[in-house]
Amino acid sequence: AQTVTQSQPEMSVQEAETVTLSCTYDTSESDYYLFWYKQPPSRQMILVIRQEAYKQQNATENRFSVNFQKAAKSFSLKISDSQLGDAAMYFCAYRHFSTSGGGADGLTFGKGTHLIIQP
Amino acid sequence: DTGVSQDPRHKITKRGQNVTFRCDPISEHNRLYWYRQTLGQGPEFLTYFQNEAQLEKSRLLSDRFSAERPKGSFSTLEIQRTEQGDSAMYLCASSLAGANVLTFGAGSRLTVL
Repeated sequence: AQTVTQSQPEMSVQEAETVTLSCTYDTSESDYYLFWYKQPPSRQMILVIRQEAYKQQNATENRFSVNFQKAAKSFSLKISDSQLGDAAMYFCAYRHFSTSGGGADGLTFGKGTHLIIQP
Repeated sequence: DTGVSQDPRHKITKRGQNVTFRCDPISEHNRLYWYRQTLGQGPEFLTYFQNEAQLEKSRLLSDRFSAERPKGSFSTLEIQRTEQGDSAMYLCASSLAGANVLTFGAGSRLTVL
């Protein structure tokens, strides 16, 4: 079974600074997908960024980028120019590759990292 | 609002009672997922549907848990004979078949006294 580990229960960063959240995973598969989701307090989880394992290029979405190291099974999230609205729980998630698509086994999530933005 | 809707947002019940949660997915999404999230943990996959067919239910936590999606639209998650350990946030998500991205609802928080 796949496992996802987020070793940082909490991180704090000054507004406008850069912060990196760590994620490692364990799988025997070669094709899979990785995601970072954000969960603000009392609000729904929203997708921040995703990465297909077969793509070598790291995904970027505006201020958010990942460092995907497939051999090391590492998938960190970098948030640049941190803003107060970035404060939330961040979850790293794994999904195996399926030729039919979708999430037959669902997503496997880490325990999350609580990100605090200091004004 | 075209997002995923969950109802109720918060349910307080006494141990031993049955509870039911409802999820209305995004209308064109044919896949629907249920997750449980306990305090300090990430969401844990429970079950999922494609249209009205429940394609994975082995992860349901016990036989007290059941889910339905009778017409392939909304879904219900029922917990019978609730226990204090069932206290958690129950999340629903939906997607199109073949899509990698799930859209989550705001969740239904269960408190069992």
